[in-house]
Order: sequence, then structure tokens, then C-alpha cells
Amino acid sequence: AQSVTQLDSHVSVSEGTPVLLRCNYSSSYSPSLFWYVQHPNKGLQLLLKYTSAATLVKGINGFEAEFKKSETSFHLTKPSAHMSDAAEYFCVVSSPRFGNEKLTFGTGTRLTIIP
Amino acid sequence: EPEVTQTPSHQVTQMGQEVILRCVPISNHLYFYWYRQILGQKVEFLVSFYNNEISEKSEIFDDQFSVERPDGSNFTLKIRSTKLEDSAMYFCASSDRGLMNTEAFFGQGTRLTVV
Repeated sequence: AQSVTQLDSHVSVSEGTPVLLRCNYSSSYSPSLFWYVQHPNKGLQLLLKYTSAATLVKGINGFEAEFKKSETSFHLTKPSAHMSDAAEYFCVVSSPRFGNEKLTFGTGTRLTIIP
Repeated sequence: EPEVTQTPSHQVTQMGQEVILRCVPISNHLYFYWYRQILGQKVEFLVSFYNNEISEKSEIFDDQFSVERPDGSNFTLKIRSTKLEDSAMYFCASSDRGLMNTEAFFGQGTRLTVV
């Protein structure tokens, strides 16, 4: 079984300040973890992924996330928020093994950037 | 950059009618998926498809739903007799080597409204 909990449904930060979006996961197998972003009226875009290589993962647009097995967490961070970062962010888990092609999504975190 | 495209972007249909949602996955991809997101709820897995057959499906994907790859480029989701509760955003996704090896790329979604 696999599941994801996004601890905040809505986060607001001022432009230029750090962003932290929290995610905890549960998986019966060694998980792959992803962050996807959805801008209004757009599809789901992959920000970054963890697939059992380096625990600190860098993604697009200055985002990064750290896989912490002891805390079962995969929090998304960015040092300095930009207005264009305003969007919905989804933490996603899969348990990669033959025959399992299912992604499990968190409930999403809406990020608002205050000018 | 290659992308997954979905048509139409918005479809309105009467309850009880059949609807077909269309997707063109990325051309060299072999794994195909449908997800849906009911307004205000999380993105849910519906079905995965590989080698011309369903590889996994969720409990949501009942006999009212079917998928097909009618030619070398399209991947369709059919809902035989739509219900009000089928109203949702439907996302198509594809992957070249499956989730064991790589990520899924999502389309921009089709918003289905059943009236």
C-alpha cells in the first residue's frame, strides 16, 4: 500500500521569501517520490523526482526536495519565492515494481505568493 | 518539447450519454494512464495500459469505463452511460519505460461536466 499526506492545504509566502511545502509518505516498498505542479488551466508538470539515488533532489525553477527515510518525508523547498510560483503543488508516491504502474497523489497544496 | 495532448479541453454531456475522451500520448511512449480529479478532491488513479491491455485498474474503473488504443497514436477513455458523479477533470499520462524506470508525463486535462 502507498499513501501521501500533504500537511498544508494552503501556504502563503511573500515574494522573495523561502517556500516550504510539506509531504509525508507511506509505502510498502522503496518508494519513488515526485512533486508535480499545476498552474491554472494547465496540465500537471513534473518539478522533480526521487528514485533512490541522491537524497537531495534538484528540480526545475529553483525547487528542491530532500528524501528523509527516517522521517518518511519529502518536503519541497525554494530559497526565494517568485510570483510565477503561485500554483497547486502535488506530492506523489509510487512503489516501483513490476506490474505496479499506479501513482498516488496527495491532496495538494495551493501556494499563494504575496507581492 | 514533446507533450501529451488531450481533446477536448471541456466537454458537457447529458446524464446517461456516452462520452469519449481523447488523448495523444508522447510518440515513443509505451505506458498509458488515466487519472481523474473531482472538484476539490485529490487526483485519483483510474487505469494503466501497456501492450494493448489494461495492466492495472482502480475500483473506480467499473464496467462503465473502457480504454482503447485504436491506432498508433490515440488513447481513449470511454464512459458508457455518464452519471452526475463522473463530472471531473480527467488527465491522460504516458511513460516511455514505466514507473519502475521513469516518470509519467501528463496532459492538460479534459474537464467533463455531466448535467
